[in-house]
Amino acid sequence: QVQLKESGPVLVQASETLSLTCTVSGFSLTNYGVIWVRQPPGKGLEWMGIIWRNGNTDYNSALKSRLSINRDTSKSQVFLKMNSLQTDDTAIYYCTTSLPFAYWGQGTLVTVSS
Amino acid sequence: DVVLTQTPPTLSATIGQSVSISCRSSQSLLHSNGNTYLHWLLQRPGQSPQLLIYLVSRLESGVPNRFSGSGSGTDFTLKISGVEAEDLGVYYCVQGTHAPWTFGGGTKLELK
Repeated sequence: QVQLKESGPVLVQASETLSLTCTVSGFSLTNYGVIWVRQPPGKGLEWMGIIWRNGNTDYNSALKSRLSINRDTSKSQVFLKMNSLQTDDTAIYYCTTSLPFAYWGQGTLVTVSS
Repeated sequence: DVVLTQTPPTLSATIGQSVSISCRSSQSLLHSNGNTYLHWLLQRPGQSPQLLIYLVSRLESGVPNRFSGSGSGTDFTLKISGVEAEDLGVYYCVQGTHAPWTFGGGTKLELK
């Protein structure tokens, strides 16, 4: 069955770079895209970006300058990198499918410390 | 970027009551391919969001048919015909017609 799982650090220092991995199973990254979504504590969902099945990407306009999404199809992994972190980047980070949104990871809470 | 405005921000309901949530878009969500990529999600407390409705009105597998979606262009509605306790949480509309995709601000459904 389709599964997604986020992994990465739980604590990152301000001004540093966040690196997260979404490991998927039950489908191929060449068949479906993967989306990153984040949710600050107590707030709503924010669409961050997508890597399409052909490897193209689209990004949230507000995050575009510091965000990149890549993948390794042989490992069924999608990578998020975001630099120049600030405390307001503290959030639960989710990966989900472009099916759309039919399957989600459990999310990973990342805290940015000043 | 497309702005999705959800109303009301909070909705109080009794069990069995029917309720509706509105999602209005700052521009038409009709794609040039004829599809309208407007979807509805529910996030229960402490859980990841789940898909309820996709492409305006298509019910995701396993979702009870008391949920229905309608609308076109810029105006969309999610209706729950007979709220049950498990329906409590925050509902989000999200559009995938125009890049970047965007979420509505959410509507919290709570018990009256």
